[in-house]
Amino acid sequence: QVQLVQSGAEVKKPGASVKVSCKASGDTFSNFDINWVRQAPGQGLESMGWMNPNSGNAASAQKFLGRVTMTRNTSIRTVYMELSGLRSEDTAVYYCARMDYGDNGGGKWFDPWGQGTLVTVSS
Amino acid sequence: QSVLTQPPSASGTPGQRVTISCSGSGSNIGSNYVNWYQQFPGTAPKLLVYRNIQRPSGVPDRFSGSKSGTSVSLAISGLRSEDEADYYCAAWDDSLRGWVFGGGTKVTVL
Repeated sequence: QVQLVQSGAEVKKPGASVKVSCKASGDTFSNFDINWVRQAPGQGLESMGWMNPNSGNAASAQKFLGRVTMTRNTSIRTVYMELSGLRSEDTAVYYCARMDYGDNGGGKWFDPWGQGTLVTVSS
Repeated sequence: QSVLTQPPSASGTPGQRVTISCSGSGSNIGSNYVNWYQQFPGTAPKLLVYRNIQRPSGVPDRFSGSKSGTSVSLAISGLRSEDEADYYCAAWDDSLRGWVFGGGTKVTVL
């Protein structure tokens, strides 16, 4: 049973960068993509991008191109998401989630999710 | 503005059946599976339904998904107070080449 544990809350100033970690335990780490999803206060869910911990290949959503960087350290089963050029509207809870795909039948889904990391951007 | 459209709220009394709709387009719901997530305040979302209709182990069969064309629905039968939560639909979008979510529906048990 895989679990994802994220780093703690951060407070950053506008223009700064933040790096959030997501550590996997309990199951095979490299076989599944890790996705990043954020949720602004009182708002819905927004996909930011994903990476494959095995290959290191990553892709970000159009909105975050050039601002988000995803990396990993396979020796400690951890994936990182760094967001640069922070602005107030980046204040949100950031979640990592494993992208599962089952045995067959197609389709992918996010399960499980990390507990979330609150990033506050304020001057 | 979310790519997938959900009603902002839905409600029912205990024991009733509540249905949440989620509409999209041919590039997302029309050509890909849809998943549903349940989220309680202050907690991470949890997978509720995947591949349109399948439930992970541990999810009660009171929750059921369906799909027709470019729309999907989540039904909660025998509504219980513990079902009060936000529900989100999600799908891959072939045009955007990314995951898209609905805006979420808050379910209230009256």
